Amino acid sequence: KAGVTQTPRYLIKTRGQQVTLSCSPISGHRSVSWYQQTPGQGLQFLFEYFSETQRNKGNFPGRFSGRQFSNSRSEMNVSTLELGDSALYLCASSYSGTPWNTEAFFGQGTRLTVV
Amino acid sequence: AQSVTQLDSHVSVSEGTPVLLRCNYSSSYSPSLFWYVQHPNKGLQLLLKYTSAATLVKGINGFEAEFKKSETSFHLTKPSAHMSDAAEYFCVVSARSEGSQGNLIFGKGTKLSVKP
Repeated sequence: KAGVTQTPRYLIKTRGQQVTLSCSPISGHRSVSWYQQTPGQGLQFLFEYFSETQRNKGNFPGRFSGRQFSNSRSEMNVSTLELGDSALYLCASSYSGTPWNTEAFFGQGTRLTVV
Repeated sequence: AQSVTQLDSHVSVSEGTPVLLRCNYSSSYSPSLFWYVQHPNKGLQLLLKYTSAATLVKGINGFEAEFKKSETSFHLTKPSAHMSDAAEYFCVVSARSEGSQGNLIFGKGTKLSVKP
């Protein structure tokens, strides 16, 4: 069974640009969550999608957005990039998005560097 | 609100000696608690989870953790460290409630070093 696939693995962007990251969940999983990992703030929840609907959102500015397609693949977009957006972006897939009864599986992440 | 505090940012042990990684939690709901491990350049892997069943939880690779409500703790232990255990470990909490879907709240992490 294939794991969670995130593309691309590495990205370098310039301040002010926008970027789109992609996450393909494990087959059969309908929930995809996104996290930002930085040395200073650690791992922080961005948002969660289930069956193409955003059910939950963390405390990030509106520049961070996402969507989910009918095949459960998800994308997240960051517009007007800032230096502070440099981070490892992780996506997690699970069957139902309820971590107390289903395991969340993480991808290897996309390393975004903003210069 | 939920939060976790990992009491040590770095722990160093010798191979073959016990491992103890400490975690305290705060939760206004009955929490679910997890330990995840992150090896360099790899994704996060679930080691074990507590979801209100047995308070002593056994995980993969010989790790276990005990949920102590009176102490609000969920410390991770292993009797004998291996070199391959060197990684960063995250204590994680999730509330079992509507509006918490997909939202895992991570501690700051503890880097475990294992000396030969």
